[in-house]
Amino acid sequence: DSGVTQTPKHLITATGQRVTLRCSPRSGDLSVYWYQQSLDQGLQFLIQYYNGEERAKGNILERFSAQQFPDLHSELNLSSLELGDSALYFCASSGAGYSGTEAFFGQGTRLTVV
Amino acid sequence: QKEVEQDPGPLSVPEGAIVSLNCTYSNSAFQYFMWYRQYSRKGPELLMYTYSSGNKEDGRFTAQVDKSSKYISLFIRDSQPSDSATYLCAAPQGTDKLIFGTGTRLQVFP
Repeated sequence: DSGVTQTPKHLITATGQRVTLRCSPRSGDLSVYWYQQSLDQGLQFLIQYYNGEERAKGNILERFSAQQFPDLHSELNLSSLELGDSALYFCASSGAGYSGTEAFFGQGTRLTVV
Repeated sequence: QKEVEQDPGPLSVPEGAIVSLNCTYSNSAFQYFMWYRQYSRKGPELLMYTYSSGNKEDGRFTAQVDKSSKYISLFIRDSQPSDSATYLCAAPQGTDKLIFGTGTRLQVFP
């Protein structure tokens, strides 16, 4: 158990809908990262938050947004869903960036858009 | 060109074999590297990281980095069926994110 908790584990929704994925980082970790994993693209970095502030953005679509709350949990919001958004979404946390510390991943949320 | 590249496999070996998993990278700024293992339908878990050229050993696992050729390797000795998983190499880009290879799927059969 990595200590990173993601909910829900599975989500099935229709095109055009909006969903929220939730992540609780390991106790004490300030950084939260969101990744998308699809079969053909591998793990793609979406966005990072550090202590409530957005720190880095990757290939995140405008339809997607995230935030990190004062208690350090994070939510990833996906809207106007398309079939191509079906993927595994992982959250990871680390102490203070990657310099010398490892990132711990949650078990992921499997999103299926039908 | 992707910054970190891996052969997706699958790689199928008999139990007890020595496994060699490899990555290449293009960004000379990468200072250290990580290997993650991901079981089916699970999150990636960190196996090893290494800061510099040379070898790092941890039990049956050895990570090797050759910065001159931008080549990263993970060796698994005495492979077990429980090692069957996808292995991802990764490199931190600054302190913001990990750049992952696409992963190599390994299957160890009894």
